[in-house]
Amino acid sequence: AAGVIQSPRHLIKEKRETATLKCYPIPRHDTVYWYQQGPGQDPQFLISFYEKMQSDKGSIPDRFSAQQFSDYHSELNMSSLELGDSALYFCASSLRGGNYGYTFGSGTRLTVV
Amino acid sequence: AQTVTQSQPEMSVQEAETVTLSCTYDTSESNYYLFWYKQPPSRQMILVIRQEAYKQQNATENRFSVNFQKAAKSFSLKISDSQLGDTAMYFCAFAGGTSYGKLTFGQGTILTVHP
Repeated sequence: AAGVIQSPRHLIKEKRETATLKCYPIPRHDTVYWYQQGPGQDPQFLISFYEKMQSDKGSIPDRFSAQQFSDYHSELNMSSLELGDSALYFCASSLRGGNYGYTFGSGTRLTVV
Repeated sequence: AQTVTQSQPEMSVQEAETVTLSCTYDTSESNYYLFWYKQPPSRQMILVIRQEAYKQQNATENRFSVNFQKAAKSFSLKISDSQLGDTAMYFCAFAGGTSYGKLTFGQGTILTVHP
């Protein structure tokens, strides 16, 4: 079965650079969520989209932005990167409301040096 | 705001034995969903089991079952016949209320299964 695809799997950037993370949800899933997981921490919700509109917003820095495109894939744009942005970034997708469970991608490991 | 608490940072169990991971949550919502996710060393987040709050019957998935006590706001995970492949971080998670859709995670419990 098709899963949530995230790219790239690993990314190394220098401070103050920009990074773009991509997420391709499971076909027919209309909602995409982004989470940030720091080392040894639980995932923290960043932002979500339903039918290409932002549906909820969590602790996402102003330096980050995201959008969902017409094909339902989503991109998380991160600018002016800081060392503290180094983390595992997960994308998850679900049907509206997530009643049937959320499927996570394998994550993108971002390292800022 | 909802909170999820896992009070056991680490647990260990012998292969083939049974272990229970604890989770409590706080919410004023009446309709919500609870989940247990497994995160092995590969860091993939894998759904283990899901419980709908309006269902009184405890969810079961093969060797995994939950004890859902709605009044006590408790949602524990029981793993029977533990296997080496069960070694992972386990997260309890909540979704519901005004923030319906997003997941709020507990701090996680590292489970180690010993041969």
